[in-house]
Order: sequence, then structure tokens, then C-alpha cells
Amino acid sequence: SAVISQKPSRDICQRGTSLTIQCQVDSQVTMMFWYRQQPGQSLTLIATANQGSEATYESGFVIDKFPISRPNLTFSTLTVSNMSPEDSSIYLCSVKTGAGEQYFGPGTRLTVT
Amino acid sequence: DQQVKQNSPSLSVQEGRISILNCDYTNSMFDYFLWYKKYPAEGPTFLISISSIKDKNEDGRFTVFLNKSAKHLSLHIVPSQPGDSAVYFCAASATGGFKTIFGAGTRLFVKA
Repeated sequence: SAVISQKPSRDICQRGTSLTIQCQVDSQVTMMFWYRQQPGQSLTLIATANQGSEATYESGFVIDKFPISRPNLTFSTLTVSNMSPEDSSIYLCSVKTGAGEQYFGPGTRLTVT
Repeated sequence: DQQVKQNSPSLSVQEGRISILNCDYTNSMFDYFLWYKKYPAEGPTFLISISSIKDKNEDGRFTVFLNKSAKHLSLHIVPSQPGDSAVYFCAASATGGFKTIFGAGTRLFVKA
């Protein structure tokens, strides 16, 4: 298994500002994922972050809006840039083990006013 | 295009009875299926999984059934307990792929 922590756990931000979310894993992992869960909806994959390479973004998500860093095998950040109320969501960091099981952090609840 | 569907947004069950949560998928390439439980203000936690080479996997009170021909899986919880009240997500992935696709979730209420 993997233990994942995220900071901040929640934040209220003003429109037009940016927020960086940190994700720390207790073991080295190759792939880290960033998800978004909007109210009443499923988990939507934003991007996959591999150490040492550019993140791979899913359709509908772009690097300018959601820049990601992956400086080592235990840490990643996701920035939500130029925020609007539509970005209000829970943002989740996740890792996948070799067995195919996927583990999630506790999430960051973002409210944009 | 929803590749993983959970058509019941909510389910209410009496304590001690069986809870059955259903999930359908459309992509025949999926060969690994998972169930996650999510409490408010927490991230999803892995519950149980099943490979497509099996049709049943059991772990304590939780059993997952897979019907490949119908592209359907279900999670059975017996007996249900009030602490099982949570949102349950069905998820699927394909060998060689790294993306896991999630359903919309089913909120389970277990009444004492």
C-alpha cells in the first residue's frame, strides 16, 4: 500500500489567483496521478505525472491551466492557475502500485469565490 | 462517453441486510476492476478488486462478482453495517494501460 498526504486540505481562493497543491507519498512511485472530483460527479483524471518527464494531460486539461511538477519519486505539485468558480472541486493525488491497486490522498477541497 | 457506469446514485439498506451495488462497463479491453469507498472529507480507499480471469472475489463481508459477457460487476456487502455508509466507486483498467476509469459513484445508506 501507499500512504499519501496532501497540502492544503482545503482553501478558499479568489477568482484570478493560483493555488499550488502538494502531494507527498511515503514510498517511491513511478506514476502519480492528479484527479478532480466536482460536486456530485465522478473522479476525472487531469494528468499523469512521471518523474523526469513532462506530465501527460487528459482531454480538456492543459498545462497552462494545471501545471504539474514532479521533482522526485515521492513528491508532486499541481497548480490551479487563474482560478474561476468552475474550478471549485476536490483535487486528489493518487499513485498506482505494481499490483494495479490505486491509492489516493485525502484530497484538497478548493472553493473559488 | 461513460465507459464505467453506476446507474444508481443512491441505495438505502437496513443494518444486517445485504447491500448490492451495481456497475456496468462498455470497454471490452478492461480486465481489472476495483471498488473504492469514500467517506466525506477523505480520499477514496481501495476496497476490493477482481481480475477478468475470475468471476468472484471475496474478502470478509465484501464480495465482488464479475459477469464478463454482460459487462457487469456487482459488490455485495453482507451483513451491512452503519459504518458502511459511504460513496462507493466502481473502477476499471486495462492491462498495459495505466489509466483507471471511475464510475460516478453510488451513495450507500445503512440504517440502524
